[in-house]
Amino acid sequence: QKEVEQDPGPLSVPEGAIVSLNCTYSNSAFQYFMWYRQYSRKGPELLMYTYSSGNKEDGRFTAQVDKSSKYISLFIRDSQPSDSATYLCAMRHGSSNTGKLIFGQGTTLQVKP
Amino acid sequence: DVKVTQSSRYLVKRTGEKVFLECVQDMDHENMFWYRQDPGLGLRLIYFSYDVKMKEKGDIPEGYSVSREKKERFSLILESASTNQTSMYLCANSRGHRSYNEQFFGPGTRLTVL
Repeated sequence: QKEVEQDPGPLSVPEGAIVSLNCTYSNSAFQYFMWYRQYSRKGPELLMYTYSSGNKEDGRFTAQVDKSSKYISLFIRDSQPSDSATYLCAMRHGSSNTGKLIFGQGTTLQVKP
Repeated sequence: DVKVTQSSRYLVKRTGEKVFLECVQDMDHENMFWYRQDPGLGLRLIYFSYDVKMKEKGDIPEGYSVSREKKERFSLILESASTNQTSMYLCANSRGHRSYNEQFFGPGTRLTVL
């Protein structure tokens, strides 16, 4: 069993839809939870990160962490064609000082005009 | 404009060749990473380095080695390329602080081994 599981999709939605992207994980030592966005033919870029449980909002994006269920989510409101990309969740232990991250497989999202 | 550069965007090699992939960062960051990215498998860590001349194995180090002689440069070496090493290779770096989560990625090198 992988430490981090993410449905690869693809996920196709119409412009303006609310998108929900999710990851599950098995290691309860994970404390930091991140979402990266990767456009085609580019490297991933950090979108948001959350420490421990709770919600974090940044514009149209909301990240949620439920440590009791070992489940994290990224919500995109009013989705735009420019949001079309692959979204990767990533996690790391709280005690890590090397910055080593564990990534999910990535979910490919297409937002149609 | 900060940059992470990788030596090639596309590379085609033959089975058995020795392959060098280079990554250079101008961010003065301590940590550097090499990943490979395959459909359905996501990003898998090959090796990482948290200081010059230091290296640690990641999750899939078999068939690879690395070199970090200078802080800004991290090289990935395929000693004898095989077809199952055909993949997208991504280099990344991050600050050497325990609470820092952002990794900065290069554009990737798509390697094909024939």
